[in-house]
Amino acid sequence: ELKVEQNPLFLSMQEGKNYTIYCNYSTTSDRLYWYRQDPGKSLESLFVLLSNGAVKQEGRLMASLDTKARLSTLHITAAVHDLSATYFCAVDATGTASKLTFGTGTRLQVTL
Amino acid sequence: EAGVTQFPSHSVIEKGQTVTLRCDPISGHDNLYWYRRVMGKEIKFLLHFVKESKQDESGMPNNRFLAERTGGTYSTLKVQPAELEDSGVYFCASSPRDTAGELFFGEGSRLTVL
Repeated sequence: ELKVEQNPLFLSMQEGKNYTIYCNYSTTSDRLYWYRQDPGKSLESLFVLLSNGAVKQEGRLMASLDTKARLSTLHITAAVHDLSATYFCAVDATGTASKLTFGTGTRLQVTL
Repeated sequence: EAGVTQFPSHSVIEKGQTVTLRCDPISGHDNLYWYRRVMGKEIKFLLHFVKESKQDESGMPNNRFLAERTGGTYSTLKVQPAELEDSGVYFCASSPRDTAGELFFGEGSRLTVL
C-alpha cells in the first residue's frame, strides 16, 4: 500500500524566512502533485511534477521531485503572510492520474 | 468558467439518517472523483467515474455508500444509514479526458453525524 508522509505537519515561520516542506512516499512513482488549501476552500493545484529531476517554480514557491529517493520538496523563499495555508502533496502510483494518495498536509502559518 | 461545485457545503444529521451530497464538475470533464477527509487524517480516494461509468470504486468504505453519475454530468454520493465515523469533508474533483493528472477540486461538503 502506498504511503505518503509529509513533514513537518505544522510550520510557523516569520515573514522573510526560507523553509522546506518534505514529502516522502513508499512506492515507485514519477507523478507527484502539490496542492494548497485555504480554510474552507477547495484544493488549488500548485505544481504537477511528472519526471525525475523535475523542478517547477511559481513566485516564492519551488517544487522538485527525486523519484529515486522517493522525495519531493516544496521550498518557500522569503515567506509572506499570504502563503499561510495548508499544503498537500499527492502521489499517483497508477500512472494514469486516476487515484491520488495524499499526505497528511502541512499547515503553514507565516507571522509578521 | 465555473469551477467544481458541491452541495450542501455543510450537513448535520443524526446517526441512522440518510444524506445525499451532490457534485457538479467542470463542464466537459469526463473524469469525476470523490475523496474524503476524516478529521485529522489524510484525504482519501473513494471512487472515480469516467463519464457515467465507475472506473474504480476501491476506496468506498462499505455498502452504506452509493455513488452515481447520471448521464455523465453531475454526481451524487449517498450515505445510508450514516454512522458517526462518516463525519468528515467530502471532496469532489474533476479532470478532462486527456490529462496530466491535475485535478480540479470543489470546496467540499462537510458532513457531521451526531
